[in-house]
Amino acid sequence: KAGVTQTPRYLIKTRGQQVTLSCSPISGHRSVSWYQQTPGQGLQFLFEYFSETQRNKGNFPGRFSGRQFSNSRSEMNVSTLELGDSALYLCASSLSPGEGQPQHFGDGTRLSIL
Amino acid sequence: QKEVEQNSGPLSVPEGAIASLNCTYSDRGSQSFFWYRQYSGKSPELIMSIYSNGDKEDGRFTAQLNKASQYVSLLIRDSQPSDSATYLCAVKSSGDKLTFGTGTRLAVRP
Repeated sequence: KAGVTQTPRYLIKTRGQQVTLSCSPISGHRSVSWYQQTPGQGLQFLFEYFSETQRNKGNFPGRFSGRQFSNSRSEMNVSTLELGDSALYLCASSLSPGEGQPQHFGDGTRLSIL
Repeated sequence: QKEVEQNSGPLSVPEGAIASLNCTYSDRGSQSFFWYRQYSGKSPELIMSIYSNGDKEDGRFTAQLNKASQYVSLLIRDSQPSDSATYLCAVKSSGDKLTFGTGTRLAVRP
């Protein structure tokens, strides 16, 4: 069974640009969550989607947005990139958002802002 | 704000010893508890999940949960150098997001 697939793996952008990251969950998983990981802040929750609906949202500015498609694939978008957005962006999927369902992570997209 | 606290370490243990990793959480309504292992430069990997008070064993790993004390731990028996990684504790309440601690770095000395 294929794991969570994130594309691209690496991305270099400049300040002010925008970026779209993609996540394909494990087959059969319908819940997708996104996290930002930096050395100083650890894993910070961005948002969670289930059945194309955003269920939870973290404390990030409106420049960070996401969506989920009918096939459970998800994308996140960051507009007007800032230097501080340089991070590893991780996607995790689970069968459902139910509390007993563990999340499984993809390899992440490493975003560097110049 | 719901919090999950872990000692950042590093926790250094000799090869073959038992490594004990601890985690406390603030939300008494938390129902599900997970341990992830993250090697440097890699993504987190699920090791254990625990949902009820007591111990849960899986190979060399034992997760312990005490909801009254809001405490969850992970024991690694017969620690190996390959166990050297950052261990993340994660806690989930019903309808809420999964909240991660900042992780404990474990170093196993050969």
